[in-house]
Amino acid sequence: EDKVVQSPLSLVVHEGDTVTLNCSYEVTNFRSLLWYKQEKKAPTFLFMLTSSGIEKKSGRLSSILDKKELSSILNITATQTGDSAIYLCAVYGGSQGNLIFGKGTKLSVKP
Amino acid sequence: DAGVIQSPRHEVTEMGQEVTLRCKPISGHNSLFWYRQTMMRGLELLIYFNNNVPIDDSGMPEDRFSAKMPNASFSTLKIQPSEPRDSAVYFCASSRSPTAYNTEAFFGQGTRLTVV
Repeated sequence: EDKVVQSPLSLVVHEGDTVTLNCSYEVTNFRSLLWYKQEKKAPTFLFMLTSSGIEKKSGRLSSILDKKELSSILNITATQTGDSAIYLCAVYGGSQGNLIFGKGTKLSVKP
Repeated sequence: DAGVIQSPRHEVTEMGQEVTLRCKPISGHNSLFWYRQTMMRGLELLIYFNNNVPIDDSGMPEDRFSAKMPNASFSTLKIQPSEPRDSAVYFCASSRSPTAYNTEAFFGQGTRLTVV
């Protein structure tokens, strides 16, 4: 069965800390990996990764894919309270070309 | 573009009633996904359409759930009869290409369903 596993499930840090969120996958016919941020409502897109070892960066957020290890990390540096959210990892793949999500990491950034 | 539009935003219904959730994907998008999100189980894929055709409905919990996509601009998810354990936020998402591998999926704002 295809699956996406995220860790940790929840994380509490203080403003200014750096955090690393993990995503591992076991998905047949892997095509790409995506990261989303979900605050109160709908998930919003952060990154799409298709190639191993190439870092995607947006401000204080960055992400990289390791196809050999079947995993990805999302880094957030100098965290702010506005970074508090659920971060979701998803993989396109499977026998039907689905978009399969992990359960998410709930990040809380304290002032 | 208005994005993915879902209705209603909130639905409260009594156990045993029929519930219909609606989704209008982004124009030009060929793939449509229905997800259910709960605290316990996270975001679960229920069904996935490509070019209006259901490709994978293995995530549909049971026969009480059904989904249709009669045309490229409209999809419904129906629960009949509804049960309290169906209470969740239901999201619809769409993406651009039939294979959908190289473009992100865009989410609607979700429908919060409460079955009492």
